[in-house]
Amino acid sequence: DQQVKQNSPSLSVQEGRISILNCDYTNSMFDYFLWYKKYPAEGPTFLISISSIKDKNEDGRFTVFLNKSAKHLSLHIVPSQPGDSAVYFCAAKGTYKYIFGTGTRLKVLA
Amino acid sequence: NAGVTQTPKFRVLKTGQSMTLLCAQDMNHEYMYWYRQDPGMGLRLIHYSVGEGTTAKGEVPDGYNVSRLKKQNFLLGLESAAPSQTSVYFCASTEGLDYGYTFGSGTRLTVV
Repeated sequence: DQQVKQNSPSLSVQEGRISILNCDYTNSMFDYFLWYKKYPAEGPTFLISISSIKDKNEDGRFTVFLNKSAKHLSLHIVPSQPGDSAVYFCAAKGTYKYIFGTGTRLKVLA
Repeated sequence: NAGVTQTPKFRVLKTGQSMTLLCAQDMNHEYMYWYRQDPGMGLRLIHYSVGEGTTAKGEVPDGYNVSRLKKQNFLLGLESAAPSQTSVYFCASTEGLDYGYTFGSGTRLTVV
């Protein structure tokens, strides 16, 4: 039973527009979330985090929103750039480990 | 600073062969992890360690063994490789979960 879900396997967005990547979770005890970005043939790299005491966290072009009642978080990228084309994973902090979603492949079209 | 180093980067095995994947970190992290990435399945946890000499099972541990004899190294073993173990394997480490993971660059394993 998947505790962290990314229901969109892929997303295409025009350069300069907003990219919105979604993530749902089932365990209301999760209190800390991360987004990772992964390029082909490389390991995932940390992008942005959010704690359950906040509903929003911003870092430059990247903003993560958390809706605890809906058990939903989203990553907004504005404006999207071709270099943002990658696979994005959301992850929830469990006991001693992170639980990852299945990933969303973002393609930013020039 | 090397961070997390995985060896080898690529390997082809025949069914039934054994091998060991090595993960080494130079950040003095306590926690280390092995994940596998498969299309449509995301990152699934195989085994993890919360300190030197400790190991624990993750989500998909069958067919794998691990050892953490030294704090900086976490070894993943396949005793008898199967085609279902064809995957990309990632090692990660952290000093504490609130800091997130540092990942290695991965090992692409093909079992024929």
